[in-house]
Amino acid sequence: EAGVTQFPSHSVIEKGQTVTLRCDPISGHDNLYWYRRVMGKEIKFLLHFVKESKQDESGMPNNRFLAERTGGTYSTLKVQPAELEDSGVYFCASSPFYQETQYFGPGTRLLVL
Amino acid sequence: AQKITQTQPGMFVQEKEAVTLDCTYDTSDPSYGLFWYKQPSSGEMIFLIYQGSYDQQNATEGRYSLNFQKARKSANLVISASQLGDSAMYFCAMREGDEGGSEKLVFGKGTKLTVNP
Repeated sequence: EAGVTQFPSHSVIEKGQTVTLRCDPISGHDNLYWYRRVMGKEIKFLLHFVKESKQDESGMPNNRFLAERTGGTYSTLKVQPAELEDSGVYFCASSPFYQETQYFGPGTRLLVL
Repeated sequence: AQKITQTQPGMFVQEKEAVTLDCTYDTSDPSYGLFWYKQPSSGEMIFLIYQGSYDQQNATEGRYSLNFQKARKSANLVISASQLGDSAMYFCAMREGDEGGSEKLVFGKGTKLTVNP
């Protein structure tokens, strides 16, 4: 069974540009989560989808971040326009409905210059 | 206030020895879950072990065990017979809320474990 995949693995962009991160959860997992770790800080929750619906987006830092999960399969996280403080590692995780364990992807390393 | 505290930024252990990584948590929710994840240098987050707040016994998964002391609000990870491949960052995390509906995880800052040959 394929694990959670994320694309791209790395992205280097300039301040003000737009970047879109993609996450493909494990097949059949209804729950999809986005987390972020900025340098030297803890991994922080961004938002949670149940199928295509946003269950909890309390961790989204501001309206420059837009997450979608069309059709309840893969998800995208768009940052527009990117700022320097958006640099970090963005993780996606998924879990089946009614299961505690979240399985993480390898992360996308974003560097905003 | 920090919900998950990992007081050891770095730990060293000799190969084949056991090591304990500390984790304390803070919650007023009677129902919660505790997790440990491993992050090797390659960057992926690997799930290791889970302990539910109502579980009577400490969780074990192979060489990993979770020393769950509810009254002390601690959930230390014990790795027995350390291997060179255990060198990695280790994160303790907590999920608050009722089991059966996944909730967000709150993470500690992590402990970097180095296994020496």
